[in-house]
Amino acid sequence: NAGVTQTPKFRILKIGQSMTLQCTQDMNHNYMYWYRQDPGMGLKLIYYSVGAGITDKGEVPNGYNVSRSTTEDFPLRLELAAPSQTSVYFCASAGLAKNIQYFGAGTRLSVL
Amino acid sequence: GQQLNQSPQSMFIQEGEDVSMNCTSSSIFNTWLWYKQDPGEGPVLLIALYKAGELTSNGRLTAQFGITRKDSFLNISASIPSDVGIYFCAGQVSGTASKLTFGTGTRLQVTL
Repeated sequence: NAGVTQTPKFRILKIGQSMTLQCTQDMNHNYMYWYRQDPGMGLKLIYYSVGAGITDKGEVPNGYNVSRSTTEDFPLRLELAAPSQTSVYFCASAGLAKNIQYFGAGTRLSVL
Repeated sequence: GQQLNQSPQSMFIQEGEDVSMNCTSSSIFNTWLWYKQDPGEGPVLLIALYKAGELTSNGRLTAQFGITRKDSFLNISASIPSDVGIYFCAGQVSGTASKLTFGTGTRLQVTL
């Protein structure tokens, strides 16, 4: 039972570098989400998608981009990494029938 | 952006004790969820509540959906060492693509 898979688990970036955080789910869920979790805080929504080809901004979208070309994949792109983007990033998915979100194990990103 | 207020922020308890935590909001939610996050992992769903006044149990865990729909409570009975972690509440409004608003978390530590 893979569920939601995130890669990489850890990454260190230099300021100004770019990278893509990968997320894939095998539950055929329509909804997918990206969150960031800063130390001692709850999760804040960056972007979400209600289906392939449809994405929308969450609470903290600045500095990020997403795409949803397939039901399974929802990559998160950082174009010009900044120290403020040091955080733990979680991807989640939810089905239509039971609107409960299931989370991946997270990607720990440091921007130095 | 809104975050739900959880209390207490952290608690140290002895094995075998009962634990109570709560979550409050200035807005009404249609669904309340409780998640647990272990170190280095993503949140895992514990209990989902769908109706005001609902009381639901999952083993030693019991959660309630407040009558006003602006709060929720989680109780853990007879705590054990593996209960250690961070507990998050999350609220959901119907028709919003299952988006969640998360609480700030309650960090639970259990001593022998």
